[in-house]
Amino acid sequence: GAVVSQHPSRVICKSGTSVKIECRSLDFQATTMFWYRQFPKQSLMLMATSNEGSKATYEQGVEKDKFLINHASLTLSTLTVTSAHPEDSSFYICSARGGPGNEQFFGPGTRLTVL
Amino acid sequence: QKEVEQDPGPLSVPEGAIVSLNCTYSNSAFQYFMWYRQYSRKGPELLMYTYSSGNKEDGRFTAQVDKSSKYISLFIRDSQPSDSATYLCAMSAGTGGFKTIFGAGTRLFVKA
Repeated sequence: GAVVSQHPSRVICKSGTSVKIECRSLDFQATTMFWYRQFPKQSLMLMATSNEGSKATYEQGVEKDKFLINHASLTLSTLTVTSAHPEDSSFYICSARGGPGNEQFFGPGTRLTVL
Repeated sequence: QKEVEQDPGPLSVPEGAIVSLNCTYSNSAFQYFMWYRQYSRKGPELLMYTYSSGNKEDGRFTAQVDKSSKYISLFIRDSQPSDSATYLCAMSAGTGGFKTIFGAGTRLFVKA
């Protein structure tokens, strides 16, 4: 299947700082990218959907000023958690759609810990 | 009622058993059906992708879609301890702007 990379895989930061997570589709052009959040032993929670060159669409309850998403190209999307707080600690996973059959592929995830 | 229902388990089976994982859904517009496997602290990995009804086989894995019953299944033959993971079903009505709706995931344990 197609490969989606995510960086960093793990980040620990102090409360109040901002953290940027990158998501790249390595061998296909992703027309749509998704950002999910997952708490331990729970399913994926969609945070936002982004299409290249346009503003992201955020799910209800997700603060767009706190979780900034930039889909700058067909292979790169970034999620910036601004002024992170301990309650933002979670597993963030990106996903990209646009392979040969328009399947949706996931990145390996980023574990964010805010102290 | 959730759009996609999936029993969270856990499901525990002995090595070599045939595993049956299932999801039901309520939205008749769904046309694309997927199964993902997720190991602990990893991103989900796409296992099977099916369009509309029918069966699809890939090695030890078989995916079945019954749109008339709004029911999809994933069968794992000759299960191995390495199959122990959470399996998520997912479906969407189309590509482009259509969202993919995920089941809660079923935790599977295959005992050696």
